Amino acid sequence: AQTVTQSQPEMSVQEAETVTLSCTYDTSENNYYLFWYKQPPSRQMILVIRQEAYKQQNATENRFSVNFQKAAKSFSLKISDSQLGDTAMYFCAFMKPRDGNYQLIWGAGTKLIIKP
Amino acid sequence: EAQVTQNPRYLITVTGKKLTVTCSQNMNHEYMSWYRQDPGLGLRQIYYSMNVEVTDKGDVPEGYKVSRKEKRNFPLILESPSPNQTSLYFCASSLVGAGRSTGELFFGEGSRLTVL
Repeated sequence: AQTVTQSQPEMSVQEAETVTLSCTYDTSENNYYLFWYKQPPSRQMILVIRQEAYKQQNATENRFSVNFQKAAKSFSLKISDSQLGDTAMYFCAFMKPRDGNYQLIWGAGTKLIIKP
Repeated sequence: EAQVTQNPRYLITVTGKKLTVTCSQNMNHEYMSWYRQDPGLGLRQIYYSMNVEVTDKGDVPEGYKVSRKEKRNFPLILESPSPNQTSLYFCASSLVGAGRSTGELFFGEGSRLTVL
């Protein structure tokens, strides 16, 4: 069974700094998706960035980028020029569609606090 | 606006009183799913549906029922709620099918359920 591990329960950085959140996963699959979701205090689950495992190029979305190391099964999220609005829980998630089920396997989350 | 709408957003009820949490999406997505989020346990899948009249169990289906009579709606039914079903519930949908799926799940805003 696939598992997702986020080893940092909580992180705190100053506004405008760069922060990296760690995620590792365990799977024997070759093709799959990886995601980072953000959950602010409003509880909404917001997609930050996605990566398809067959793509070697790391995904980027404005200030957010990933470092995808397939062989190491590592999928870290880098937030550049952090802003107060980035304060949230961040979840790493794995998906391997199987038998019509697009189930996300979630990490435990990292609470990120951006300080002014 | 493309969205997944859940109701109610908040509910306090008592043990044994049947309740339904509704979920509706306006994106014409075939795939829909329910998750529950609990502290320390992350998000876990309850049920999913690949299309109208096609539903299947996720990892934690006990105590829940679902139906998919229309493509846009996927209600979650608690026939006899118990305190261990106190949780934050998320409905999600996705576009699926060969060549169309990006793996991305679109989430509703969440429903906070408390069973006394």
